[in-house]
Amino acid sequence: TQLLEQSPQFLSIQEGENLTVYCNSSSVFSSLQWYRQEPGEGPVLLVTVVTGGEVKKLKRLTFQFGDARKDSSLHITAAQPGDTGLYLCADLGENNNDMRFGAGTRLTVKP
Amino acid sequence: DSGVTQTPKHLITATGQRVTLRCSPRSGDLSVYWYQQSLDQGLQFLIQYYNGEERAKGNILERFSAQQFPDLHSELNLSSLELGDSALYFCASSPRRPTDTQYFGPGTRLTVL
Repeated sequence: TQLLEQSPQFLSIQEGENLTVYCNSSSVFSSLQWYRQEPGEGPVLLVTVVTGGEVKKLKRLTFQFGDARKDSSLHITAAQPGDTGLYLCADLGENNNDMRFGAGTRLTVKP
Repeated sequence: DSGVTQTPKHLITATGQRVTLRCSPRSGDLSVYWYQQSLDQGLQFLIQYYNGEERAKGNILERFSAQQFPDLHSELNLSSLELGDSALYFCASSPRRPTDTQYFGPGTRLTVL
C-alpha cells in the first residue's frame, strides 16, 4: 500500500518569508497533485505533475517533481496571509482510480 | 464557489442511526466522488460514480453505500453509525475522468454522538 508522507506537519511563518513543504511516496507516483484546503472549505487543486523532473510555477508557488517520481516539493515565495491553509499532496493511483492523500502540511502565515 | 453543492452542511445524530448526504455536481460534470476527512485518517477516497454507474471504490465501509441518479446528483448513505464515523464528508465532481480536475464541494460535517 502506497504511503504519502508530508513534512513538516505544521508550519508557522511571518508574512514575506519563503517556505518549502515536501511530499514523499513509498512508491512511484502515477500522477501527483497538490491541493490547498482553507478552513471550512473543500480542497482546491493547485497543480498536477506527471513527468519526473517537472517544474511548474503558479505565481509565487513553484512545484517540483523528483526525477524518480517518488517525491515532490512546493515552494512559496514571499508568503502572504492568504496562503494560510492545509496543503495536501495526492496520487491518483494505479489506473487513476484510487486517489490517496497525504496528511497535509498546515501552514499559517502571520501578518 | 466550486459549483458543487452539498446538503446538509451539518448533521448531528446518534450511534446506530442512518443518514443520507446529498451532492449536486457542477453543471455538465458526469463523475462524482465521495471522500471522508477525519482527524486521524486524513482525507480518504470512498467511491466514484460516472454517469450513474459505480466506477471505482476506495476505503468505503460495507455500512456505507452511494448512488448516482439520472439527473447526476448523488447520495451517500451511512448506516449503523459509530462514533468513529464522525468526520467531514466531501463530494467532488469532474467532467469525466479522475485525471480531470476535481472540484470539491464545501462538505457535510457529520457528528455521531
